[in-house]
Formats: sequence, structure tokens, C-alpha cells
Amino acid sequence: DQQVKQNSPSLSVQEGRISILNCDYTNSMFDYFLWYKKYPAEGPTFLISISSIKDKNEDGRFTVFLNKSAKHLSLHIVPSQPGDSAVYFCAASGGSNYQLIWGAGTKLIIKP
Amino acid sequence: KAGVTQTPRYLIKTRGQQVTLSCSPISGHRSVSWYQQTPGQGLQFLFEYFSETQRNKGNFPGRFSGRQFSNSRSEMNVSTLELGDSALYLCASSTGRQGSEKLFFGSGTQLSVL
Repeated sequence: DQQVKQNSPSLSVQEGRISILNCDYTNSMFDYFLWYKKYPAEGPTFLISISSIKDKNEDGRFTVFLNKSAKHLSLHIVPSQPGDSAVYFCAASGGSNYQLIWGAGTKLIIKP
Repeated sequence: KAGVTQTPRYLIKTRGQQVTLSCSPISGHRSVSWYQQTPGQGLQFLFEYFSETQRNKGNFPGRFSGRQFSNSRSEMNVSTLELGDSALYLCASSTGRQGSEKLFFGSGTQLSVL
């Protein structure tokens, strides 16, 4: 039972354009969402988070949007840069056990 | 402030052996979580320790075990290694429980089982 889904295994975007990565969830108890970026053979690094009381959070070139009714969140990267090429994971948590549920990841490729 | 430190960085073992991986969290962090990543797979949650107690456990066989010491350092043990255990093992720490705030990850231990 995949509670957090990233349906696009990969995404290719031209440098300078907008990258949009999507994540869907099924558990309505989730109230905290995070995005992480991962390079090969390294640990993930935290990018941005959002709680369910907000519908948008910005940090520099990164913006996360949360649509609670659709159980959908998206990460926007504007403008996309070559160093953004990595695997992006979304993760969600909620309820009393604090377990973090991860998506399978989307590999973002930024083309020069 | 030093980041999360995992040792060793690389490890080669043969089937049937056992292995112990170590993780030193960021100073002041009480939660340590362990993950397995295999090629083409996402992050598979192994377990979380908080204040020396296992708080959550993923869907892995009993060959995978862990513990946390009073200084928050954690070890993970895999007994009777199988070829399928070859993976990048990641440790993450946080001040609170893993689902309540962002995690800080180490660089991982790359385990190869021959």
C-alpha cells in the first residue's frame, strides 16, 4: 500500500525553465510534508517542508504547493540549474506514531 | 557543528557473514533512523531509535537489528548476509521524532555482499 506516490520516475527540463515535481498521498492523517534532494552515493538533503495549515511555502528558487482536497503536493524549481539534477523524494507524516512515509523518488535531469 | 557521521563508508562482505554499521548523530539529536536504498529503489525504512528505545520498525526480517546508546550513537547489525542486502545504508538524525521535523542524513555506508 503506497501511501505516498511519485508517479514520474524521471523528468527532463531545459536549464532556466521551471521544473515541477509532483507527489500524491492517500492518507488524510498526513499533516507534514517534506522534499529532499539526493545525489548518487550521498545521503538526501532537506530542501523544503510544508504543514497542512498552509498551502504554499517558498524558499528561494524552491516553492512547495499543497492541495489538501486533492491530496497532492508539488515542488516548483525556478529557474532550473544544472546542479538541480538529482533524485527528489517527497515524504509525509501524521498521526501519533511519527513515522515518515517516503515516495519512490523522481530523477530530475536539467539539460544545458 | 559536525554532521551525521557514518562508518565505515564502504564495506565488502560475503554471504553468511554479519556486519555492524555505525552512526554518530549531530550533537543534541536524540532520534536516529536507518534506511536502505538499493539501485532504482526509494528509501526503505528500517527502524527509528529515540532516547535508546526503538520507536518504529519497517518491514525487514529479524536479521536486521539495531540499538542506540546513551550518547545517541547508533549501530545497525545485519546477520547472515544475503546477496540482496547489497545496498546503501543511510542513517538520519533529528532532535525530535523522525516525522515531526526535518532529518539530517549521513553519507551512508555502501555495503556489497559477494
